[in-house]
Amino acid sequence: QKEVEQDPGPLSVPEGAIVSLNCTYSNSAFQYFMWYRQYSRKGPELLMYTYSSGNKEDGRFTAQVDKSSKYISLFIRDSQPSDSATYLCAIGGGATNKLIFGTGTLLAVQP
Amino acid sequence: NAGVTQTPKFRVLKTGQSMTLLCAQDMNHEYMYWYRQDPGMGLRLIHYSVGEGTTAKGEVPDGYNVSRLKKQNFLLGLESAAPSQTSVYFCASSKLAVTGELFFGEGSRLTVL
Repeated sequence: QKEVEQDPGPLSVPEGAIVSLNCTYSNSAFQYFMWYRQYSRKGPELLMYTYSSGNKEDGRFTAQVDKSSKYISLFIRDSQPSDSATYLCAIGGGATNKLIFGTGTLLAVQP
Repeated sequence: NAGVTQTPKFRVLKTGQSMTLLCAQDMNHEYMYWYRQDPGMGLRLIHYSVGEGTTAKGEVPDGYNVSRLKKQNFLLGLESAAPSQTSVYFCASSKLAVTGELFFGEGSRLTVL
């Protein structure tokens, strides 16, 4: 079993839709949960960072962590064509001093 | 701000050739990383460094060597390139380890024929 699992998609939605992106993880010691956004032919950039269970909101983006279920989500409200990118979850903490990335979900928002 | 700069951006090699990818960061970060990104595999850590003069193996280190002689530079070497090393390579740096934000370069696309 992979330490971090992410649905690869691709996911295609109309402009204005609510998007839900998800990752599951296996190690309950993980403490740090991040979402990176990667545009085509670019490097990933940090989008959201959470440390504890619960929700964190930043504009149209909400990151949710459920440690009891080992499940994290990223919600995008009022999606825009400019949100079209690959979204990678990244999880770390516990015995490791490195981040473990999910495989990424390719999102396309159609105008 | 340049951030993290990778050179070269593109390279085509023949099997058995050697090459070095250069990563430079201007943020005075202690931690630097080399990842490879392949379809369906996500980002996999090759080697990393926790400070000048240090290196450590990541998840997929075989066939690669690294050096961090200066704090701002992290070099990734392929001694004898193989087709399995065809990939997009990303360098990243961070101020802190696990808890810190990773700043990535734009990637180096390597094709080994």
